[in-house]
Amino acid sequence: QKEVEQDPGPLSVPEGAIVSLNCTYSNSAFQYFMWYRQYSRKGPELLMYTYSSGNKEDGRFTAQVDKSSKYISLFIRDSQPSDSATYLCAMSGVTSYDKVIFGPGTSLSVIP
Amino acid sequence: EAGVTQFPSHSVIEKGQTVTLRCDPISGHDNLYWYRRVMGKEIKFLLHFVKESKQDESGMPNNRFLAERTGGTYSTLKVQPAELEDSGVYFCASSPTGYEQYFGPGTRLTVT
Repeated sequence: QKEVEQDPGPLSVPEGAIVSLNCTYSNSAFQYFMWYRQYSRKGPELLMYTYSSGNKEDGRFTAQVDKSSKYISLFIRDSQPSDSATYLCAMSGVTSYDKVIFGPGTSLSVIP
Repeated sequence: EAGVTQFPSHSVIEKGQTVTLRCDPISGHDNLYWYRRVMGKEIKFLLHFVKESKQDESGMPNNRFLAERTGGTYSTLKVQPAELEDSGVYFCASSPTGYEQYFGPGTRLTVT
């Protein structure tokens, strides 16, 4: 079993839709949870990171962490064509020296 | 503020040759990471520098890979001799704290 699982998609939605992206994980030691966005031929760009369980909102993006279910989500409201990219979840342990483990990414297309 | 830069953007070499990848982190970031993504797989950790010291090199595949970080500034990753399975995209990231990591655009390595 992989440490971090993520549906690779592709996911295609119309402009303006609410997008839900999800990851599950197996290691209960993970405490920091991150979402990265990666455009084609570019490096991953950090969107948000959260510590432990709970929600965090930044503009159109909301990250949720449910440690009891080992499940994290990223919601994108009012999706735009510019949101079309691959979204990677990532997580690490409690210290800043713990390795970051990435999911394989979900490819998202927002259709105008 | 300049982001993380990597050089070259693309390298094509023959099996058995040597390649050196370079990463310039964001100025002032003590933490520098190398990651690799092979086709169809998730991004995987290779190693972590804190200033000029190797904090964690547990992700290095074998002793054909050598990473250095001169004076706590830029870093190089040398592959010698290269094998076919070394092909992939090599990312460098830097961080002031270890949690939020800022990625470079990557070096696409093709070994033929």
